[in-house]
Amino acid sequence: SAVISQKPSRDICQRGTSLTIQCQVDSQVTMMFWYRQQPGQSLTLIATANQGSEATYESGFVIDKFPISRPNLTFSTLTVSNMSPEDSSIYLCSVQGGVDEKLFFGSGTQLSVL
Amino acid sequence: KNEVEQSPQNLTAQEGEFITINCSYSVGISALHWLQQHPGGGIVSLFMLSSGKKKHGRLIATINIQEKHSSLHITASHPRDSAVYICAVRFNNDMRFGAGTRLTVKP
Repeated sequence: SAVISQKPSRDICQRGTSLTIQCQVDSQVTMMFWYRQQPGQSLTLIATANQGSEATYESGFVIDKFPISRPNLTFSTLTVSNMSPEDSSIYLCSVQGGVDEKLFFGSGTQLSVL
Repeated sequence: KNEVEQSPQNLTAQEGEFITINCSYSVGISALHWLQQHPGGGIVSLFMLSSGKKKHGRLIATINIQEKHSSLHITASHPRDSAVYICAVRFNNDMRFGAGTRLTVKP
């Protein structure tokens, strides 16, 4: 299994500012995934982050808005840039691993943009 | 059209009932995950399936690759099973999620 520490757990931000979310994994993993979960909805994959290469973004998400860093095999950050109220959401990271190849999730970051 | 369809959207059951949640998908996949999300809580991975059937305690998950369909069963349901259950499929390097099934088990 993998244990993921995600920070911050929540934040309230002003329009136009940026927030960086961190995920630390207790083991080395090749791929990390970043998601958004808007109120009352299911998960949407933002991007897949591989160590040593550019993140791969899903349709509707761009690097200028959601830059991702992946400096090593245990750590990644997602920045939500130039925030607007529409960015208010829960952001989560996950990895896949273990014998059962399950997904392991961070506890999420509840972001509110005023 | 959503590539992953879950049914039902909402399900209310009495404690002890047998529960079935369904997931259908329209693309060729390499794996399917069943996830559990409690209110205000995190997300827990229940199963990863690429074929056949898996069982863990009162939970059983099956997948039919030819029919592009998976089911999650809960036997002897309990109020603590109340949660949102999400089906997720992996194809190529993409991940797609169902809308979730909100399960409420009443004592």
